[in-house]
Amino acid sequence: SQKIEQNSEALNIQEGKTATLTCNYTNYSPAYLQWYRQDPGRGPVFLLLIRENEKEKRKERLKVTFDTTLKQSLFHITASQPADSATYLCALRNDYKLSFGAGTTVTVRA
Amino acid sequence: DVKVTQSSRYLVKRTGEKVFLECVQDMDHENMFWYRQDPGLGLRLIYFSYDVKMKEKGDIPEGYSVSREKKERFSLILESASTNQTSMYLCASSSHKQGNYGYTFGSGTRLTVV
Repeated sequence: SQKIEQNSEALNIQEGKTATLTCNYTNYSPAYLQWYRQDPGRGPVFLLLIRENEKEKRKERLKVTFDTTLKQSLFHITASQPADSATYLCALRNDYKLSFGAGTTVTVRA
Repeated sequence: DVKVTQSSRYLVKRTGEKVFLECVQDMDHENMFWYRQDPGLGLRLIYFSYDVKMKEKGDIPEGYSVSREKKERFSLILESASTNQTSMYLCASSSHKQGNYGYTFGSGTRLTVV
């Protein structure tokens, strides 16, 4: 069966450090992978898309890698700030629809 | 600012009631989606639509139906609400024409069925 697995543990890090989140998938052959941010009680907000032929993508303090051989994406938040505290979701396109992982909650301590 | 608007933030309904959740987008997007989100289960796709009057079942369509009479509006209907439909419901839209394929989500409707 198809699965999208993200870090099951919540991530607590000190301000200024780099947070690294993992997204692993099985039985998908996605053309691209997306990352979203979700704050409590709100809908997810689209952050980044990385295509299967791209190894790495950056947007400000965010960096995403995509390894289709390992079937894994890594999401990095560099120089983290308390405002980065949220749940981060990865999503894969499958048959014209997007399937989401359960998310990883990040808390950045001042 | 482009947006997806869901008609209610919080809703409490009784078991057996017919419930309508409304979603409107102002971005002229072709595609619209309804998800539900439950702790530990993530977002699960209920129904989606790629065009007016068109609908496709997602992963968990049982107990739900949808209506898309106009491009900007996508309604989710709970035919006879049950307590296991208590959840956060999220509407989203997207456009393949934009190229980035990112979804724009509404703020969600937290539905409680008692």
